Parts: sequence; structure tokens; C-alpha cells
Amino acid sequence: ELKVEQNPLFLSMQEGKNYTIYCNYSTTSDRLYWYRQDPGKSLESLFVLLSNGAVKQEGRLMASLDTKARLSTLHITAAVHDLSATYFCAVSHYGGATNKLIFGTGTLLAVQP
Amino acid sequence: EAQVTQNPRYLITVTGKKLTVTCSQNMNHEYMSWYRQDPGLGLRQIYYSMNVEVTDKGDVPEGYKVSRKEKRNFPLILESPSPNQTSLYFCASSPTSGRASTGELFFGEGSRLTVL
Repeated sequence: ELKVEQNPLFLSMQEGKNYTIYCNYSTTSDRLYWYRQDPGKSLESLFVLLSNGAVKQEGRLMASLDTKARLSTLHITAAVHDLSATYFCAVSHYGGATNKLIFGTGTLLAVQP
Repeated sequence: EAQVTQNPRYLITVTGKKLTVTCSQNMNHEYMSWYRQDPGLGLRQIYYSMNVEVTDKGDVPEGYKVSRKEKRNFPLILESPSPNQTSLYFCASSPTSGRASTGELFFGEGSRLTVL
């Protein structure tokens, strides 16, 4: 059974600092997704990582995927308050003809001024 | 505008009173799915549909039903709601099922359901 673990679950950081959120998963997969959720809102797709070594960057966020280590990271550079949200990683569990996403429990990021 | 639309967004109901949460997407996506979100548990899949008239159970299907009579609509039915179904529900869709797709899901705004 595919399990997805994120850490930390809660992250309080100061503006201007750097930090990394980790996403580990338990079985082989070559597809990983990062989503952002603002309080009371829907999930917004941030990154789609489709192969080993994939790296994608958007603004102050950079995501990478190491399928051999079963690890993805979401790196935050010089955090700003607008990045405060909950971040989810999700891993594709491909069985048969379906493409099911298994979600981590999320990382609540609070960026303090 | 491409979107996934859910209704109602908020609902308070009582145990045993049947309800339906509608979901509609205007992107001609084949794949649709329902998730529930609970604190500390992330998102868990309830049911999914790979295409019209093709549905299957996810991880937590008990107490729910779905149907897919049209490509754009995927309603979630709670025949006899119970308090443990109090949750935030999300409908999501994806362009195609299978390996040809990136698998990226597009989510609706969510429906917050409270069962008393």
C-alpha cells in the first residue's frame, strides 16, 4: 500500500528565510504533484513532476523529485507572507488503467513578518 | 473559464436525510473523482470515474454512491448521512485516465458538509 508522508506538518518561519518541505513515499512511483491550499479554499496545482531528477521552479518555490530515494522536496527561498498556506504532495499510484493520487497529510506553512 | 463547480458549498443537515452534492466540469475531462478532507488525514478518495458509466470505489466509499450518466457531471450521493460524514468534500477532474495523462487533478471549490 502506498503511503505518503510529509514533514514537517507545521512550519513557522520568518520572512526572508529559506526552508524545505519533504515528501517521502513508500512504493515505486514516477509521478509526484505539489498543491497549495489557502484556508477555506480549493487546492491549486503548483508542480507536476513526471520523472526522476525533475526540477521545477516558480517564483520562490522549487520542487524536485528523486524516484530512487522516493523523495520530493519543496524548497522555499526568501519566504514572504503570501506563501502562507497548506502544501500537499500527492503521489501517483498507477494500478491497471487508473491514475490514483495518494495525498500526504499536508504542511501548514506560516510565514511571520 | 475552465472550472469544476460544486454545489452546495455549505450544507448542514440531519442524520438520515438523503442529500446530493453535485459536481460539474466544463473541460471535457474523462476522469473525475471525489475526495474528502479531514484534519490530520489529508485527502482521501471516495469514488472515481474513468468515463461515462464507469465508476469505482476509492479508499473510503462506505456510505456514498455516485453516478456518471454524462461526461461533465459526477454527483455524490449520501443516502443516509451520519455524523462521521461531516467533512470537506472536493470534486476533481483530469483530462484523461491512464498513463497518457499527466494525472494532474483540477479541483472544485469544495463543499463543507455538517451532519447533526
